[in-house]
Amino acid sequence: KAGVTQTPRYLIKTRGQQVTLSCSPISGHRSVSWYQQTPGQGLQFLFEYFSETQRNKGNFPGRFSGRQFSNSRSEMNVSTLELGDSALYLCASSLAAGVPTEAFFGQGTRLTVV
Amino acid sequence: AQTVTQSQPEMSVQEAETVTLSCTYDTSESDYYLFWYKQPPSRQMILVIRQEAYKQQNATENRFSVNFQKAAKSFSLKISDSQLGDAAMYFCAYRGLRDGGATNKLIFGTGTLLAVQP
Repeated sequence: KAGVTQTPRYLIKTRGQQVTLSCSPISGHRSVSWYQQTPGQGLQFLFEYFSETQRNKGNFPGRFSGRQFSNSRSEMNVSTLELGDSALYLCASSLAAGVPTEAFFGQGTRLTVV
Repeated sequence: AQTVTQSQPEMSVQEAETVTLSCTYDTSESDYYLFWYKQPPSRQMILVIRQEAYKQQNATENRFSVNFQKAAKSFSLKISDSQLGDAAMYFCAYRGLRDGGATNKLIFGTGTLLAVQP
């Protein structure tokens, strides 16, 4: 069974640009969550999607957005990139929401903003 | 708001010895889940062990066990017979049951970097 796949693995962008990151959850999983990991702030929750609906959102500016497709794949978008957006972005998939299932993480996308 | 605190930024243990990583949390909820995740240099977060707050019995998974003290809001991880492959960053995480459990949001601590000395 394939794990959580995040693409691309590495990305370098310039300030002011926008970026889209992709996450393909484990087959059959319908819940996808996104986290930002930085040395200074640690792991912070961005948002969570279940059945194409955003169920929960962290405390991030509106430049951070996401969506989920009918096949459960999810994308997150960051517009008008700032240097502080440089981070490892992790995606986690779970079987469903509302049940105590394990969250499986992808290997992340390392975003560098220059 | 819930918070998770890991007060040990770094720990070191000799191979085959036992080490305990500390974690405290703050919440007003009575039902929740607690987790320990391991993040090796490959960056992929791997679930080590989980504890349901309603269970009094401490969870164990092979060489990994927890000491869950609900009243003290403490959740420590004990690694027995440490192996070189245990070297990684360890994160304590909390998952609440807001809205009847309809969220998978995890709140993480800042992590403890564990070094295993041969």
